[in-house]
Amino acid sequence: NAGVTQTPKFQVLKTGQSMTLQCAQDMNHNSMYWYRQDPGMGLRLIYYSASEGTTDKGEVPNGYNVSRLNKREFSLRLESAAPSQTSVYFCASSLNRGGTEAFFGQGTRLTVV
Amino acid sequence: GESVGLHLPTLSVQEGDNSIINCAYSNSASDYFIWYKQESGKGPQFIIDIRSNMDKRQGQRVTVLLNKTVKHLSLQIAATQPGDSAVYFCAENISGSQGNLIFGKGTKLSVKP
Repeated sequence: NAGVTQTPKFQVLKTGQSMTLQCAQDMNHNSMYWYRQDPGMGLRLIYYSASEGTTDKGEVPNGYNVSRLNKREFSLRLESAAPSQTSVYFCASSLNRGGTEAFFGQGTRLTVV
Repeated sequence: GESVGLHLPTLSVQEGDNSIINCAYSNSASDYFIWYKQESGKGPQFIIDIRSNMDKRQGQRVTVLLNKTVKHLSLQIAATQPGDSAVYFCAENISGSQGNLIFGKGTKLSVKP
């Protein structure tokens, strides 16, 4: 049982490049999330998917897009990377939204130069 | 805006001592709280949770206390071990909201051998 798996673990992009962060969970969870973590800022929600087929903006959605490909997979896309998007990105899943614990992946460390 | 915060950004304790990590929240509508542990280079890991209809919950070596009167949450770790060294985050879920967890900024716990 792998839990939440993110790829890649590390990535360096040049300003303006695009990339997609992949996330998959094998816990049959309905809800999935993308967070970013910056020093001194804690975890901030970028986008979430309450259930398969739905996605919604979180606290800091600008510059990102997401796709809930199926119940297992939730990807995060940076269309035109900016240095301000240098961060550690975490994918998480929970059985349902609200009132249940979220399980996190190991993170993707992204540097935009 | 309302948010979850922490009283102490860093905490250093001696191995074997008890640790207390504090968290203040300002939204009286929050009804579910979680403590996460994050080790260096890893994703947050669930420790313990508590619902607003309780004021205390115990796990293995950990206890969470909830004081709704003063909107305060604490995590107590008994007989702290070097493996407890990590950053600890509290998170709240606001009842009736979109149901996403809101994270505090974290407290770094260092355990001295």
